[in-house]
Amino acid sequence: AQSVTQLDSQVPVFEEAPVELRCNYSSSVSVYLFWYVQYPNQGLQLLLKYLSGSTLVESINGFEAEFNKSQTSFHLRKPSVHISDTAEYFCAVSVPMDSSYKLIFGSGTRLLVRP
Amino acid sequence: TAGITQAPTSQILAAGRSMTLRCTQDMRHNAMYWYRQDLGLGLRLIHYSNTAGTTGKGEVPDGYSVSRANTDDFPLTLASAVPSQTSVYFCASRDSGYGYTFGSGTRLTVV
Repeated sequence: AQSVTQLDSQVPVFEEAPVELRCNYSSSVSVYLFWYVQYPNQGLQLLLKYLSGSTLVESINGFEAEFNKSQTSFHLRKPSVHISDTAEYFCAVSVPMDSSYKLIFGSGTRLLVRP
Repeated sequence: TAGITQAPTSQILAAGRSMTLRCTQDMRHNAMYWYRQDLGLGLRLIHYSNTAGTTGKGEVPDGYSVSRANTDDFPLTLASAVPSQTSVYFCASRDSGYGYTFGSGTRLTVV
């Protein structure tokens, strides 16, 4: 069965410091990988995704994630965080289901950026 | 702006009462989903629909039902609400690729 594991429920970090949010997945089939961000009292916004091609994908606001097939990981990184990056981050995989696809989510990591 | 509209935004519901959460999309996506979000558990799939006229059960379907009479609408019904159904509910759709769009959510409190 497919699953997504986000080991860190909360990551506190100081402003302008680097951060890594970890994501590991388990699947017997090829998967498509996503990171979503949820700001307080809002819905989910797509941050970045890996479908194929280059294993390093980037978002417009400085985040990047690298697909590592051998380690079944898709960790999210940012070299210098801002206060405005404080949010909940969800890793997800899109897997086949009933002639279609579904998203399976990790439990989320709360990034708390302190001044 | 194209996307998904969910209503209501929030609701307090007495246990035992029924309620329908509404979801409408204007992107003509065939696949639609209902997820619930609970602290520490992420989002879990309740029900899905691959196309109008078909529905299927996700991970946590008990106590919920859905219908898909047309492409645009995918309502979620709680027939007899219980406190464990207190959650934030998200409707989503998927395009022909792997692009998922989420609504802004419905916060439901069952008391």
